Amino acid sequence: LAKTTQPISMDSYEGQEVNITCSHNNIATNDYITWYQQFPSQGPRFIIQGYKTKVTNEVASLFIPADRKSSTLSLPRVSLSDTAVYYCLVGAVAQAAGNKLTFGGGTRVLVKP
Amino acid sequence: EADIYQTPRYLVIGTGKKITLECSQTMGHDKMYWYQQDPGMELHLIHYSYGVNSTEKGDLSSESTVSRIRTEHFPLTLESARPSHTSQYLCASAVLGSNEQFFGPGTRLTVL
Repeated sequence: LAKTTQPISMDSYEGQEVNITCSHNNIATNDYITWYQQFPSQGPRFIIQGYKTKVTNEVASLFIPADRKSSTLSLPRVSLSDTAVYYCLVGAVAQAAGNKLTFGGGTRVLVKP
Repeated sequence: EADIYQTPRYLVIGTGKKITLECSQTMGHDKMYWYQQDPGMELHLIHYSYGVNSTEKGDLSSESTVSRIRTEHFPLTLESARPSHTSQYLCASAVLGSNEQFFGPGTRLTVL
Protein backbone atom coordinates (compact mmCIF):
# COMPACT_ATOMS: atom_id res chain seq x y z
CA LEU A 1 0.00 0.00 0.00
CA ALA A 2 1.29 3.45 -0.89
CA LYS A 3 2.04 5.53 2.19
CA THR A 4 0.75 9.09 2.30
CA THR A 5 2.10 12.16 4.07
CA GLN A 6 0.01 15.25 4.71
CA PRO A 7 0.29 18.23 7.08
CA ILE A 8 -1.00 17.64 10.57
CA SER A 9 -3.02 20.85 10.69
CA MET A 10 -3.93 24.01 8.80
CA ASP A 11 -5.72 27.19 9.79
CA SER A 12 -7.76 29.32 7.44
CA TYR A 13 -10.43 32.02 7.46
CA GLU A 14 -13.93 32.06 6.12
CA GLY A 15 -14.11 32.80 2.41
CA GLN A 16 -10.54 31.72 1.69
CA GLU A 17 -9.42 28.85 -0.48
CA VAL A 18 -7.78 25.97 1.36
CA ASN A 19 -5.27 23.74 -0.39
CA ILE A 20 -4.09 20.54 1.28
CA THR A 21 -1.21 18.70 -0.35
CA CYS A 22 -0.63 15.00 0.12
CA SER A 23 2.60 13.20 -0.80
CA HIS A 24 2.50 9.62 -2.07
CA ASN A 25 5.90 8.96 -3.58
CA ASN A 26 5.46 5.21 -4.08
CA ILE A 27 2.03 5.31 -5.67
CA ALA A 28 1.40 2.32 -7.92
CA THR A 29 0.11 2.35 -11.48
CA ASN A 30 -3.29 1.01 -10.45
CA ASP A 31 -3.73 3.32 -7.45
CA TYR A 32 -6.37 6.02 -7.24
CA ILE A 33 -6.25 9.00 -4.88
CA THR A 34 -9.26 9.46 -2.63
CA TRP A 35 -10.07 12.19 -0.11
CA TYR A 36 -12.40 11.98 2.85
CA GLN A 37 -13.73 14.53 5.36
CA GLN A 38 -14.51 13.70 8.97
CA PHE A 39 -16.36 15.77 11.54
CA PRO A 40 -16.03 15.01 15.27
CA SER A 41 -17.99 11.96 16.42
CA GLN A 42 -18.97 11.06 12.85
CA GLY A 43 -17.67 8.62 10.28
CA PRO A 44 -15.64 9.93 7.34
CA ARG A 45 -17.43 11.14 4.25
CA PHE A 46 -16.15 10.71 0.69
CA ILE A 47 -15.22 14.00 -0.97
CA ILE A 48 -13.49 13.28 -4.25
CA GLN A 49 -11.39 10.73 -6.12
CA GLY A 50 -9.02 10.98 -9.05
CA TYR A 51 -6.34 9.20 -11.03
CA LYS A 52 -4.56 12.00 -12.90
CA THR A 53 -4.81 15.65 -13.91
CA LYS A 54 -7.78 17.46 -12.40
CA VAL A 55 -11.11 16.37 -11.01
CA THR A 56 -13.80 18.78 -9.86
CA ASN A 57 -17.14 18.30 -8.20
CA GLU A 58 -19.58 20.52 -6.34
CA VAL A 59 -17.52 20.35 -3.16
CA ALA A 60 -13.84 20.39 -4.11
CA SER A 61 -11.18 20.07 -6.76
CA LEU A 62 -8.37 17.56 -6.87
CA PHE A 63 -5.14 18.36 -8.69
CA ILE A 64 -2.77 15.54 -9.58
CA PRO A 65 0.52 16.27 -11.39
CA ALA A 66 1.80 14.08 -14.19
CA ASP A 67 4.13 12.05 -11.93
CA ARG A 68 1.25 11.39 -9.50
CA LYS A 69 3.63 11.53 -6.51
CA SER A 70 1.47 14.13 -4.83
CA SER A 71 -2.02 15.54 -4.98
CA THR A 72 -3.72 18.70 -3.77
CA LEU A 73 -7.25 18.96 -2.46
CA SER A 74 -8.66 22.44 -2.99
CA LEU A 75 -11.64 23.69 -1.00
CA PRO A 76 -12.95 26.95 -2.46
CA ARG A 77 -14.30 29.68 -0.21
CA VAL A 78 -14.40 27.70 3.04
CA SER A 79 -16.93 28.32 5.76
CA LEU A 80 -16.88 27.51 9.47
CA SER A 81 -18.66 24.25 8.73
CA ASP A 82 -15.66 23.05 6.73
CA THR A 83 -13.69 22.68 9.96
CA ALA A 84 -12.88 18.98 9.96
CA VAL A 85 -10.16 16.40 9.46
CA TYR A 86 -9.29 15.64 5.84
CA TYR A 87 -7.76 12.30 4.88
CA CYS A 88 -5.80 11.46 1.75
CA LEU A 89 -5.84 7.78 0.78
CA VAL A 90 -4.17 5.91 -2.03
CA GLY A 91 -5.17 2.48 -3.24
CA ALA A 92 -6.29 0.35 -6.13
CA VAL A 93 -9.94 0.15 -7.04
CA ALA A 94 -9.87 -3.61 -7.15
CA GLN A 95 -12.76 -5.85 -7.95
CA ALA A 96 -11.36 -8.74 -5.99
CA ALA A 97 -10.14 -9.25 -2.46
CA GLY A 98 -6.99 -7.49 -1.36
CA ASN A 99 -8.16 -3.95 -1.76
CA LYS A 100 -8.20 -1.96 1.43
CA LEU A 101 -7.47 1.68 2.09
CA THR A 102 -5.40 3.00 4.97
CA PHE A 103 -6.51 6.17 6.73
CA GLY A 104 -3.51 8.04 8.08
CA GLY A 105 -3.56 10.83 10.61
CA GLY A 106 -5.25 13.30 8.28
CA THR A 107 -5.04 17.09 8.24
CA ARG A 108 -7.01 19.05 10.81
CA VAL A 109 -8.40 22.13 9.11
CA LEU A 110 -9.64 24.92 11.36
CA VAL A 111 -11.67 27.65 9.69
CA LYS A 112 -11.80 30.85 11.70
CA PRO A 113 -14.36 33.67 11.45
CA GLU B 1 -27.91 9.81 2.61
CA ALA B 2 -26.21 6.45 2.84
CA ASP B 3 -28.33 3.61 4.13
CA ILE B 4 -25.97 2.07 6.62
CA TYR B 5 -26.96 1.54 10.22
CA GLN B 6 -25.18 0.68 13.41
CA THR B 7 -26.64 -0.39 16.74
CA PRO B 8 -26.30 0.37 19.50
CA ARG B 9 -25.05 3.94 19.17
CA TYR B 10 -23.71 3.94 22.72
CA LEU B 11 -22.89 1.00 24.98
CA VAL B 12 -21.49 0.88 28.50
CA ILE B 13 -20.72 -2.59 29.81
CA GLY B 14 -18.66 -4.34 32.41
CA THR B 15 -15.45 -6.25 31.88
CA GLY B 16 -15.84 -9.84 30.72
CA LYS B 17 -19.17 -9.40 28.94
CA LYS B 18 -19.76 -10.71 25.44
CA ILE B 19 -21.05 -8.07 23.06
CA THR B 20 -22.08 -7.85 19.43
CA LEU B 21 -22.05 -4.61 17.51
CA GLU B 22 -24.51 -4.62 14.64
CA CYS B 23 -24.00 -3.14 11.19
CA SER B 24 -26.46 -3.33 8.34
CA GLN B 25 -26.64 -1.70 4.92
CA THR B 26 -29.45 -1.69 2.40
CA MET B 27 -27.40 -0.66 -0.63
CA GLY B 28 -26.43 -4.15 -1.71
CA HIS B 29 -22.73 -3.37 -1.28
CA ASP B 30 -20.38 -6.32 -1.43
CA LYS B 31 -17.55 -4.70 0.53
CA MET B 32 -17.94 -3.98 4.24
CA TYR B 33 -15.45 -2.75 6.82
CA TRP B 34 -15.01 -2.26 10.55
CA TYR B 35 -12.77 0.52 11.85
CA GLN B 36 -11.73 1.45 15.37
CA GLN B 37 -11.06 5.07 16.26
CA ASP B 38 -10.15 6.70 19.56
CA PRO B 39 -11.11 10.39 19.98
CA GLY B 40 -8.86 12.62 17.92
CA MET B 41 -6.85 9.70 16.62
CA GLU B 42 -6.48 7.76 13.39
CA LEU B 43 -8.97 5.26 12.04
CA HIS B 44 -7.65 1.73 12.13
CA LEU B 45 -9.07 -1.01 9.94
CA ILE B 46 -9.78 -4.11 12.05
CA HIS B 47 -11.89 -6.30 9.73
CA TYR B 48 -13.21 -6.30 6.20
CA SER B 49 -15.25 -8.46 3.88
CA TYR B 50 -15.71 -8.72 0.12
CA GLY B 51 -18.94 -10.65 0.19
CA VAL B 52 -20.85 -13.44 1.85
CA ASN B 53 -18.59 -15.87 3.72
CA SER B 54 -15.56 -13.63 3.13
CA THR B 55 -13.80 -12.04 6.12
CA GLU B 56 -10.27 -10.71 6.52
CA LYS B 57 -8.31 -9.15 9.35
CA GLY B 58 -7.29 -5.55 8.92
CA ASP B 59 -4.17 -3.60 9.80
CA LEU B 60 -4.83 -3.36 13.53
CA SER B 61 -4.74 -6.50 15.60
CA SER B 62 -8.08 -6.97 17.25
CA GLU B 63 -9.56 -9.50 19.64
CA SER B 64 -12.90 -9.16 17.93
CA THR B 65 -14.41 -11.46 15.32
CA VAL B 66 -16.80 -10.83 12.44
CA SER B 67 -19.15 -12.83 10.27
CA ARG B 68 -20.76 -12.25 6.88
CA ILE B 69 -23.64 -14.64 6.42
CA ARG B 70 -25.79 -12.15 4.54
CA THR B 71 -24.70 -9.39 2.18
CA GLU B 72 -26.40 -6.68 4.18
CA HIS B 73 -25.22 -7.70 7.64
CA PHE B 74 -21.68 -7.55 9.13
CA PRO B 75 -21.74 -7.93 12.92
CA LEU B 76 -18.66 -7.58 15.10
CA THR B 77 -18.35 -9.63 18.30
CA LEU B 78 -16.16 -9.27 21.37
CA GLU B 79 -16.21 -12.49 23.37
CA SER B 80 -14.90 -10.89 26.56
CA ALA B 81 -14.82 -7.12 26.69
CA ARG B 82 -11.97 -5.33 28.45
CA PRO B 83 -11.35 -1.65 29.26
CA SER B 84 -8.78 -1.56 26.43
CA HIS B 85 -11.69 -2.13 24.01
CA THR B 86 -13.15 1.25 24.91
CA SER B 87 -13.32 3.14 21.62
CA GLN B 88 -15.56 4.18 18.74
CA TYR B 89 -16.32 1.48 16.20
CA LEU B 90 -17.25 2.55 12.68
CA CYS B 91 -18.77 0.34 10.02
CA ALA B 92 -18.55 1.15 6.31
CA SER B 93 -19.57 -0.36 2.99
CA ALA B 94 -18.68 0.11 -0.66
CA VAL B 95 -19.42 -1.39 -4.04
CA LEU B 96 -16.81 -3.58 -5.66
CA GLY B 97 -14.62 -1.49 -7.91
CA SER B 98 -15.02 1.69 -5.87
CA ASN B 99 -13.06 3.36 -3.09
CA GLU B 100 -16.06 5.40 -2.03
CA GLN B 101 -16.92 4.02 1.37
CA PHE B 102 -20.18 4.92 3.11
CA PHE B 103 -19.86 5.08 6.87
CA GLY B 104 -22.41 4.39 9.56
CA PRO B 105 -22.91 6.66 12.59
CA GLY B 106 -20.64 4.55 14.78
CA THR B 107 -20.94 2.78 18.12
CA ARG B 108 -19.22 4.35 21.08
CA LEU B 109 -18.22 1.52 23.42
CA THR B 110 -17.15 1.99 27.03
CA VAL B 111 -15.95 -1.01 29.00
CA LEU B 112 -15.73 -0.45 32.74
